Amino acid sequence: QITLKESGPTLVKPTQTLTLTCTFSEFSLTTSGVGVGWIRQPPGKALEWLALIYWDDDKRYSPSLKSRLTVAKDTSKNQVILTMTNMDPVDTATYFCAHKPPGVSIFGVVTSNYYFDYWGPGTLVTVPS
Amino acid sequence: QSALTQPPSASGSPGQSVTISCTGTSSDVGGYIYVSWYQQHPGKPPKLMMYEVTKRPSGVPDRFSGSKTGNTASLTISGLQAEDEAHYYCSSYAGYNNPYMFGGGTKLTVL
Repeated sequence: QITLKESGPTLVKPTQTLTLTCTFSEFSLTTSGVGVGWIRQPPGKALEWLALIYWDDDKRYSPSLKSRLTVAKDTSKNQVILTMTNMDPVDTATYFCAHKPPGVSIFGVVTSNYYFDYWGPGTLVTVPS
Repeated sequence: QSALTQPPSASGSPGQSVTISCTGTSSDVGGYIYVSWYQQHPGKPPKLMMYEVTKRPSGVPDRFSGSKTGNTASLTISGLQAEDEAHYYCSSYAGYNNPYMFGGGTKLTVL
């Protein structure tokens, strides 16, 4: 059973940099097609995708937050690290990491997919005003 | 890019059917098969309920079904049960630089 768990500070001051770690098990980020994404959810509000890192170290970032985000992986530790600079009270949210499964091979062609099938429990990060 | 549009709320009685819509544009929902749906109970992480418009992950009851017409995707829940009461979020691929666009969420109440 795939599991993921987020860890990091619960309180971050304005202008500081947030660093979150996603530690996962029962899959490898060296497997072709696999990815780990970060999604956040402000209290009482909707989900917002932040970033994704693929098995081949390719990375995608939310267009609106790209300048503030960095995602990296440590395959030896089964971890993905997200950093977000210049934190603001509006960044107060529960931050989730999630597993993107590999595509399916059909007649030797691997399909793409864009969904998350396993999620961590999330970690609440508060930025006080 | 704006989030996908979902009705803020929906409701139905036990045993009834309810459909939740997710409206985007030809650049996201209408342009790709990569629409997924997530169920979220309070204090819990989202759970994948549907992917690639109509595919149900293992373990998701067949009471849940997905469809898409033009720029609008829909999640239909038939035979509503009390445990279906939750928030539901749609998500769509919106291009190389925005592969996961979420909707604003719909709170489903089972009356």
